[in-house]
Amino acid sequence: AQSVTQPDIHITVSEGASLELRCNYSYGATPYLFWYVQSPGQGLQLLLKYFSGDTLVQGIKGFEAEFKRSQSSFNLRKPSVHWSDAAEYFCAVGTRFSGGYNKLIFGAGTRLAVHP
Amino acid sequence: SQTIHQWPATLVQPVGSPLSLECTVEGTSNPNLYWYRQAAGRGLQLLFYSVGIGQISSEVPQNLSASRPQDRQFILSSKKLLLSDSGFYLCAWRGGGAGDTQYFGPGTRLTVL
Repeated sequence: AQSVTQPDIHITVSEGASLELRCNYSYGATPYLFWYVQSPGQGLQLLLKYFSGDTLVQGIKGFEAEFKRSQSSFNLRKPSVHWSDAAEYFCAVGTRFSGGYNKLIFGAGTRLAVHP
Repeated sequence: SQTIHQWPATLVQPVGSPLSLECTVEGTSNPNLYWYRQAAGRGLQLLFYSVGIGQISSEVPQNLSASRPQDRQFILSSKKLLLSDSGFYLCAWRGGGAGDTQYFGPGTRLTVL
């Protein structure tokens, strides 16, 4: 069965420090991969996605992620964190269906705290 | 542009009472529609999805049901709420294209007492 693992439940970084959030997936084919961010009490906002092509993808708010097939990983990075980045981050896998994807499988999320 | 609405934003209901949550999408036609539940401190669990009017796929057998009476309307219901139904309910939509992204609504916070 498909699954998504985000090993870090909580991460705390200082403002201005670099950030890497880990995501590993289990899926038989090349998946569609997503990172979403959720502020408290809000819906989810898409940060970036990977479908095919260049394995390093750029997203909004200065985030990027790299797809590594050999490691079944899609880690999210940001070179310098801002206090406004404090939120919960979700990695998700889209299971392929008829050439596209239908359902998303989410990881449990990583809650990011940012110290001033 | 497309927008997605959910209401109510918050709801407090007694155990055993019925439930109806509504989700509507504007600015698109024939979207795929999804209901997710997010329990406290946990990730998102897909409950139902729909690829068209009257077409509902259930992911997790439970106390809830879903209906899609119109193209851009998706309703989540229960006849009798349980304490375990408490959580944050998110509706999402995506277009029919292979590369389309899922976009989420603002959510409904349900507390069952």
